[in-house]
Amino acid sequence: GAVVSQHPSWVICKSGTSVKIECRSLDFQATTMFWYRQFPKQSLMLMATSNEGSKATYEQGVEKDKFLINHASLTLSTLTVTSAHPEDSSFYICSAEGPLPRQGNTGELFFGEGSRLTVL
Amino acid sequence: QQPVQSPQAVILREGEDAVINCSSSKALYSVHWYRQKHGEAPVFLMILLKGGEQKGHEKISASFNEKKQQSSLYLTASQLSYSGTYFCGTARLMDSSYKLIFGSGTRLLVRP
Repeated sequence: GAVVSQHPSWVICKSGTSVKIECRSLDFQATTMFWYRQFPKQSLMLMATSNEGSKATYEQGVEKDKFLINHASLTLSTLTVTSAHPEDSSFYICSAEGPLPRQGNTGELFFGEGSRLTVL
Repeated sequence: QQPVQSPQAVILREGEDAVINCSSSKALYSVHWYRQKHGEAPVFLMILLKGGEQKGHEKISASFNEKKQQSSLYLTASQLSYSGTYFCGTARLMDSSYKLIFGSGTRLLVRP
């Protein structure tokens, strides 16, 4: 099956620093990846859609200058949390559409392991 | 715009059945079901692509009522391993691409 890997799994940083999270599709090419954020005991909230070779599309209320997304290749998307603050502490999960024919509908999403960010 | 799930939480004894509902105020193109264990990424269960479609995986099955914009997940003879939070995801066409929006979640605890 399609495998998506995220790194790092855990990160603790000081307030004001920037943190980069990587999301890789290991055995397939992903032209589109999605970044979600999940606070404790809450649902996964879509932050942005990352498109290879073009700008990311951000959901309403998500600051594009704070959450920088780069999708430079068909197997790698990165999320950089700039000038992180304690309220940015969360579980960040990336996902990618698997190599399935779309037929007008989304295929299964393959999720990375998630990255837990704690900002002190 | 987030799909609404019910119930919010349910506690079962091993072997009992449960139904989790997912409804949307927007038109649905497909419905996904995922289960998430604490601290882990969601695990895919199934996709329903057409109205009226029903699918099953072992003792977990689901139905999709496109007209009513609803889907239900059926857990039969629950096992301890079924414990976790279940999310439905509804695919919507937004900005010329399909995006998966997750529901509010249903926490399931199966006890011995």
